[in-house]
Amino acid sequence: SQQGEEDPQALSIQEGENATMNCSYKTSINNLQWYRQNSGRGLVHLILIRSNEREKHSGRLRVTLDTSKKSSSLLITASRAADTASYFCATDGVQGAQKLVFGQGTRLTINP
Amino acid sequence: DAEITQSPRHKITETGRQVTLACHQTWNHNNMFWYRQDLGHGLRLIHYSYGVQDTNKGEVSDGYSVSRSNTEDLPLTLESAASSQTSVYFCASSGQGSATEAFFGQGTRLTVV
Repeated sequence: SQQGEEDPQALSIQEGENATMNCSYKTSINNLQWYRQNSGRGLVHLILIRSNEREKHSGRLRVTLDTSKKSSSLLITASRAADTASYFCATDGVQGAQKLVFGQGTRLTINP
Repeated sequence: DAEITQSPRHKITETGRQVTLACHQTWNHNNMFWYRQDLGHGLRLIHYSYGVQDTNKGEVSDGYSVSRSNTEDLPLTLESAASSQTSVYFCASSGQGSATEAFFGQGTRLTVV
C-alpha cells in the first residue's frame, strides 16, 4: 500500500504566489524526500530531510517534517511557470530499508 | 556523466507475450528499483535489488520478474503480458544507505493490446 499521501491532489496558483503541498505517511521513517516530475519525464530529486530534522531549505524550497504527526510539507516560494509539474513525497523505512515508497503526488499548475 | 537509461521508450505488445524492459545505470549504484506509474496510483514498487544476485518483491510484483547479474543492469520481464500491465515503467537507482537520492530513467510506456 502507499506509504505517503499528498494533499491536495491538484493545485493551481498564479505566478509569484507560494505553493504548499502536504504529505502524510504511515510508518516510522529514516528520512523523507521530495521529487518533481515534469510531464512525460522521470522523477528528479529535490530535497531530503532526515527524521531528526524539522526544517530544511534549498533555494526557493522549504520542507518541514513533523514525525509526531507523520507529516511533511513542501513550500515553493515565488512560484514560476517552470515549477508546473507533479510533486511526490517518498519515504523509506527504518531498520536499514533503502527502498522508496511514493505517494500519489500533487499536480501543481502555475498560471502566468 | 553518469546516467540511467531505459529502453525501449515505447513498446506495444500483444496479450500473452513475454516482454523485457531494459534498465542500465552507470552510477555504479548498488540499489536499483522498478516502479510502475498509473493515474490515481502514483508510483508503485514492482521489484528492487540491493546488489548483484539480490532481488526482492515490491507491492505489485505479480506477473513480473527481475534478475541482477551485474551492477549496471536490472531488466524487468513480464512473463505473459496482460492488459492490466499497460502502464509507464520507471527504473531508478541509488547509492548505499537510506539517506541517498534516487536517480530515475526517462520511463518506458508499455501498451498491451
